[in-house]
Amino acid sequence: EVQLVESGGGLVQPGGSLRLSCATSGFTFSTYWMHWVRQAPGKGLVWVSLVSGDGTNTNYADSVKGRFTISRDNANNIVYLQMNSLRAEDTAVYYCARDRLVYAGNDYWGQGTLVTVSS
Amino acid sequence: QSALTQPASVSGSPGQSITISCTGTSSDVGSYNYVSWYQQHPGKAPKLMIHNVSNRPSGVSIRFSGSKSGNTASLTISGLQPEDEADYYCSSYTSSSTLVFGGGTKLTVL
Repeated sequence: EVQLVESGGGLVQPGGSLRLSCATSGFTFSTYWMHWVRQAPGKGLVWVSLVSGDGTNTNYADSVKGRFTISRDNANNIVYLQMNSLRAEDTAVYYCARDRLVYAGNDYWGQGTLVTVSS
Repeated sequence: QSALTQPASVSGSPGQSITISCTGTSSDVGSYNYVSWYQQHPGKAPKLMIHNVSNRPSGVSIRFSGSKSGNTASLTISGLQPEDEADYYCSSYTSSSTLVFGGGTKLTVL
């Protein structure tokens, strides 16, 4: 059974940092691209970042470029999102999701982890 | 990276059909067959309903179908059922090798 479990969310002050983790199981992790998608309270889905299966290709939404870094540990089947210089507008539930075949839809999602940026 | 344009809400009665549009540009929807649709119930993670414009993942009802014409993709749900009431989002690959989502559409089953 495919499982994705996010962790690392919480309350952080503006300008602070947080690292999210997404532990996965049930599939050959290194062969799948992975994404982070966020959803502010009461708002829609917003794509944040992606990483290729081998970790060499990454990309980011303009709103987080230069502040967030995606990475993965294929030995332990975990994808990370390092978030620096956090702003109030980064407050959201952050989901990790598996890409079924490189931009061909995210077929498995975690339950999400809430990040709240507030003083 | 402007969001794709979806209607804020649509509604229909049980048994009817509805269509949700998703309008992008020639830099995303219009140039690639990498359009996906997601269903999201309150408090739940999104669920993939359609990938590559018109393909249904295993387990998704045949009542859900997708299509595309020019810069606009569409999701059609036929034979509406109460459990179809949810938020629906489209997404597309872009020429910047990123993804972009639509703003979401709230489907109400009357």
